[in-house]
Amino acid sequence: ILNVEQSPQSLHVQEGDSTNFTCSFPSSNFYALHWYRWETAKSPEALFVMTLNGDEKKKGRISATLNTKEGYSYLYIKGSQPEDSATYLCASKGMDSSYKLIFGSGTRLLVRP
Amino acid sequence: DAGVTQSPTHLIKTRGQQVTLRCSPKSGHDTVSWYQQALGQGPQFIFQYYEEEERQRGNFPDRFSGHQFPNYSSELNVNALLLGDSALYLCASSLGTNYQPQHFGDGTRLSIL
Repeated sequence: ILNVEQSPQSLHVQEGDSTNFTCSFPSSNFYALHWYRWETAKSPEALFVMTLNGDEKKKGRISATLNTKEGYSYLYIKGSQPEDSATYLCASKGMDSSYKLIFGSGTRLLVRP
Repeated sequence: DAGVTQSPTHLIKTRGQQVTLRCSPKSGHDTVSWYQQALGQGPQFIFQYYEEEERQRGNFPDRFSGHQFPNYSSELNVNALLLGDSALYLCASSLGTNYQPQHFGDGTRLSIL
């Protein structure tokens, strides 16, 4: 994988459902993986910065895991709420260009009440 | 504590013109990155400024240039505007190290006619 890829592109769930998205990134040369939440008409908000293989981070109902050897990260939302509706972006930094964040296209989540 | 502020919010220009976008970083931050976000895509890294120098650059032509001032604020200049430069331009600030998350502004929406 040369680019950062996210799936699915969009997701519609009911309030109360738990959901998860995938971020795939180049596993060679890995430096750090960022997750951001971007609500409509607002600026992207940092959720997590992950660096170590096996890392797990949690913030309220949102958690993320990291596998640097195979080049993927999962973002989980437990008991989705309408206010979780947003685009979730992941971004990777490589060792060879460690100041440059490469973003995926995002997963657009819509939580229906 | 002021977050990242960008100006202007919206801008309309015609092909061939030049534009300057401005960014004030979050208080205490010394690093500013600029991104271009086209519809349906994730933010694309333009460049990053640290200590008034361009530290890293993405795959953007020389028409895109920038500057960082001693107070850490930054400008993005685009010359000879093309229709394809129409996008949302995001500024993000961070503090020094690569493991820190980036804090984004609300962006400048640039439309080229």
